[in-house]
Amino acid sequence: GNSVTQMEGPVTLSEEAFLTINCTYTATGYPSLFWYVQYPGEGLQLLLKATKADDKGSNKGFEATYRKETTSFHLEKGSVQVSDSAVYFCALYSGSARQLTFGSGTQLTVLP
Amino acid sequence: NAGVTQTPKFQVLKTGQSMTLQCAQDMNHEYMSWYRQDPGMGLRLIHYSVGAGITDQGEVPNGYNVSRSTTEDFPLRLLSAAPSQTSVYFCASSYSDRRRESPLHFGNGTRLTVT
Repeated sequence: GNSVTQMEGPVTLSEEAFLTINCTYTATGYPSLFWYVQYPGEGLQLLLKATKADDKGSNKGFEATYRKETTSFHLEKGSVQVSDSAVYFCALYSGSARQLTFGSGTQLTVLP
Repeated sequence: NAGVTQTPKFQVLKTGQSMTLQCAQDMNHEYMSWYRQDPGMGLRLIHYSVGAGITDQGEVPNGYNVSRSTTEDFPLRLLSAAPSQTSVYFCASSYSDRRRESPLHFGNGTRLTVT
């Protein structure tokens, strides 16, 4: 079956530090890949996506590249802000399963 | 522009009680779903619907019922609450489950505690 593995948190960084959150996946076929973000007390919202190999998704300074050869979709940001503190979820959509499969989430805290 | 609306925000139940979590969306989305979020486990799919009158089970359906009589509403019923159902519940919708790029829109969640 499909699965998503994220680096365990929590991750604590100082403001302006570089962020990487690792995500690898197992899926049949060619899934679409997503990063969702959950701010405190809210539901998840889409951060970025990539629908085919070598695509790069980007939004709000965050980037992730769909790497088929390493089955990875790592999230990066060059300079984090306090307002980026949230839980980040990697997810994949498989056409055969017709469902989103989520990773376990990574809590990020950015200190001023 | 309401999006996905869930009620209530918080609920405490005693073991054995029943209740219904409400979910409504105003985006004319075909696909609606219920997830539960537990620490360290991410989100797990409970039930989903691809249109009015059509529902199906997800990964963890036991103890929950759903129905979809209209496009807008997708209530989740707990028939006899158990402490293992203590969780945060999210309703989510999307334009279609057949579109690879169609993102899910989430409600703000219902925090349920069963004592």
